Amino acid sequence: GENVEQHPSTLSVQEGDSAVIKCTYSDSASNYFPWYKQELGKRPQLIIDIRSNVGEKKDQRIAVTLNKTAKHFSLHITETQPEDSAVYFCAAKSNTGTASKLTFGTGTRLQVTL
Amino acid sequence: DSGVTQTPKHLITATGQRVTLRCSPRSGDLSVYWYQQSLDQGLQFLIQYYNGEERAKGNILERFSAQQFPDLHSELNLSSLELGDSALYFCASSVVLAGGPLSGELFFGEGSRLTVL
Repeated sequence: GENVEQHPSTLSVQEGDSAVIKCTYSDSASNYFPWYKQELGKRPQLIIDIRSNVGEKKDQRIAVTLNKTAKHFSLHITETQPEDSAVYFCAAKSNTGTASKLTFGTGTRLQVTL
Repeated sequence: DSGVTQTPKHLITATGQRVTLRCSPRSGDLSVYWYQQSLDQGLQFLIQYYNGEERAKGNILERFSAQQFPDLHSELNLSSLELGDSALYFCASSVVLAGGPLSGELFFGEGSRLTVL
């Protein structure tokens, strides 16, 4: 089955700096890679996603890159703000017909300090 | 509001007991997923249902079972509860287009926090 590894487990940056979170996956058939943000005590929410036919996607201060050959993808947050503090999960999804499974990484706790 | 409704929000029970967690997916979503999140842990996939049928199974214990009903709501049954079962249980739903590409996005409910004493 799919295995997703995520690093680092914790990340502390100063406000205004950039943050990078990296993930690797094992199933070369995986074709969809979302990133979820989970604030303390709340539900995970999708912040950005990328499909296997795209190498990079950007949405304002957030960008995701995908290297299919190396089977890794990364989340980049620029100009970090205190409200970016949360746990971020990467995930990889493989599909077989209508069966699908989204495997999550172990999460990165991002702390943005003033 | 994601449109996914989970009840109860909080549940405290004793070891050895049985509980049922309920989930109503977003209107129109046929696929329901259950995840377990223990304290400071990641999201562990338990099981997926699509239009009433089990589609994928993850690390779900034999003491746990789930089903999806004709109205598409789902229930997760946890029995012979142990202290280690204390966790936040999330339900999520997504659109699945038969014969076409999956939309991908999971919409999570607010979760059911289970405490086993």
